[in-house]
Amino acid sequence: DAKTTQPPSMDCAEGRAANLPCNHSTISGNEYVYWYRQIHSQGPQYIIHGLKNNETNEMASLIITEDRKSSTLILPHATLRDTAVYYCIVRSNTGNQFYFGTGTSLTVIP
Amino acid sequence: DAGVIQSPRHEVTEMGQEVTLRCKPISGHNSLFWYRQTMMRGLELLIYFNNNVPIDDSGMPEDRFSAKMPNASFSTLKIQPSEPRDSAVYFCASRWGTGLNYGYTFGSGTRLTVV
Repeated sequence: DAKTTQPPSMDCAEGRAANLPCNHSTISGNEYVYWYRQIHSQGPQYIIHGLKNNETNEMASLIITEDRKSSTLILPHATLRDTAVYYCIVRSNTGNQFYFGTGTSLTVIP
Repeated sequence: DAGVIQSPRHEVTEMGQEVTLRCKPISGHNSLFWYRQTMMRGLELLIYFNNNVPIDDSGMPEDRFSAKMPNASFSTLKIQPSEPRDSAVYFCASRWGTGLNYGYTFGSGTRLTVV
């Protein structure tokens, strides 16, 4: 599975959009981009995933560049409860396990 | 849906004692994963099962660690003997299918402290 690179930390004002970048320059054609988050002391929580097209659900939007070498997770209106570590993971459709990197620690500021 | 259930939530034990962590996956899920999380190493995959069969245990740190899945609704992770460096949060996760899916569902974890 391809490696990912994320900034170690970010801040975002409450109510504003949080844009979390991820680089995955070695991603291969059959690998999906997944995002998880981990709120302190809890298990990781699935947010969203995608292959080529942009995706949106009730939690977030995922923007994947045309060359698929990077992506951005967007939390449209960040709240204090969105403070967490966000992990970007790439995994093949047939891969059986996720490998978590160090993630981005997002702090939403009142 | 009760989610993935882990027990106990917290465990404090003395060095040298046997520790058993338990996990009940979501009903119908056929893959189960054990992860360990520490400040130093982050989230590490220890072992995973497909249809109750261990597929990859390359992440198990050493022979003191063992995992079993006797049936589709129960798995254990055992450490014998335990050491202070085993102190960590241990997560269990389950998933349905092996192809495109919506990812894993994680339990709330077991915080293990070995003194």
